[in-house]
Amino acid sequence: QVQLQESGPGLVKPSQTLSLTCTVSGGSITSGSYYWNWIRQPAGKGLEWLGRIYTGGSTNYNPSLESRVTISMDTSKNQFSLHLNSVTAADTAIYYCARDMGYPNYFDFWGQGAQVTVS
Amino acid sequence: DIQMTQSPSSLSASVGDRVTLSCRSGQSINIYLDWYQQKPGQAPKLLIYAASKLHRGVPSRFSGSGSGTDFTLTITSLQPEDFATYYCQQSYTTPYTFGQGTRLEIK
Repeated sequence: QVQLQESGPGLVKPSQTLSLTCTVSGGSITSGSYYWNWIRQPAGKGLEWLGRIYTGGSTNYNPSLESRVTISMDTSKNQFSLHLNSVTAADTAIYYCARDMGYPNYFDFWGQGAQVTVS
Repeated sequence: DIQMTQSPSSLSASVGDRVTLSCRSGQSINIYLDWYQQKPGQAPKLLIYAASKLHRGVPSRFSGSGSGTDFTLTITSLQPEDFATYYCQQSYTTPYTFGQGTRLEIK
């Protein structure tokens, strides 16, 4: 059973960089044809897809954030990370990591979420 | 971006009821539509993928249908644990986009 767990600072100052890591257990992030995603949810609001990294290392980002977001992978630790720079209060949200099966695409495993506050 | 619109925004129903939730996309997305259930304080959980395929472990009272731009999630015989918020999401193209959610409440 694959499990994902987000970790990182819960409080980030405005204009700084938000960095979160998702640790994957129960399977290798380099096996299969999976995409590893970041999704966020402001309090009381809906879900926003931020971007993804493929098993092979290629990335796709939401154009609304593309100039600020980077997703990377550390295969030695079986982790992938989110970096969002120049944050503002609007970036305050719960951040989830999730696995996408590939084709057809759907998020079958999610982390429990990490609350990040920009203040 | 493909806009996803869910209706209604909220719905009151009783245990045992049959309910239908709707989702419409701003352009055709073929069958690439997924449904998630989210309870307070929890991550979303996958219910249905590719419009009508039941994810493993999901009770058979959940079903999905539709293609193109119009989709529905039907829950037959509502159970107490089904009261939650439901989101549709298009997986046709990136950026993936979600509907605003339908909150299903106990009447």
